Amino acid sequence: SYELTQPPSVSVSPGQTASITCSGDKLGDKYACWYQQKPGQSPVLVIYQDSKRPSGIPERFSGSNSGSTATLTISGTQAMDEAEYYCQAWDSSIVVFGGGTKLTVL
Amino acid sequence: QVQLQQSGPGLVKPSQTLSLTCAISGDSVSSNSAAWNWIRQSPSRGLEWLGRTYYRSKWYNDYAVSVKSRITINPDTSKNQFSLQLNSVTPEDTAVYYCARDIGIVGAYYFDFWGQGTLVTVSS
Repeated sequence: SYELTQPPSVSVSPGQTASITCSGDKLGDKYACWYQQKPGQSPVLVIYQDSKRPSGIPERFSGSNSGSTATLTISGTQAMDEAEYYCQAWDSSIVVFGGGTKLTVL
Repeated sequence: QVQLQQSGPGLVKPSQTLSLTCAISGDSVSSNSAAWNWIRQSPSRGLEWLGRTYYRSKWYNDYAVSVKSRITINPDTSKNQFSLQLNSVTPEDTAVYYCARDIGIVGAYYFDFWGQGTLVTVSS
């Protein structure tokens, strides 16, 4: 079965750039998307189709996908960005989620 | 603006059937461009997609291999909602269950609206 691998945690200082990776076999041949989830809340879509931002998502969120790795980049990270982030892709009509990355802003 | 409102019991006994409903507002369960999903989340399994139902001239379902023998997702066009039934539950099915809409292009669907989540505990 297809798997997506994320680092368990990433730390960043306020105002700096955070990069969260998601690895999978030939992931670049698929579309990746990203969700932000804060404690006790439902996930929120922040990037879809590799690099598109939904309405209402700040411009500091961006995405890329090439080779076997998709990357979520948060520029000028703010304290409010501290959350769990999940990547997701489709493989043969089946949805696959990454294990999640806890982003700490300190 | 699409809204998804979940309902159903928070406690289910082992071997019984877990049943949840997701009421849709702002879209139609019969939409030709959206699909209606159930996803669950637990500390041990993370986010796990369970399946979906969608209408493209007729009704279709896709289910995760892990639950395929136990799951049914049904649309209810009269109430504009869809439901989840998961049979023969065990404590491993304890999780927060979400309904969600997916939309997009083939191979690039994404979940743009989510329900509020329902914690379902399987315990006697």
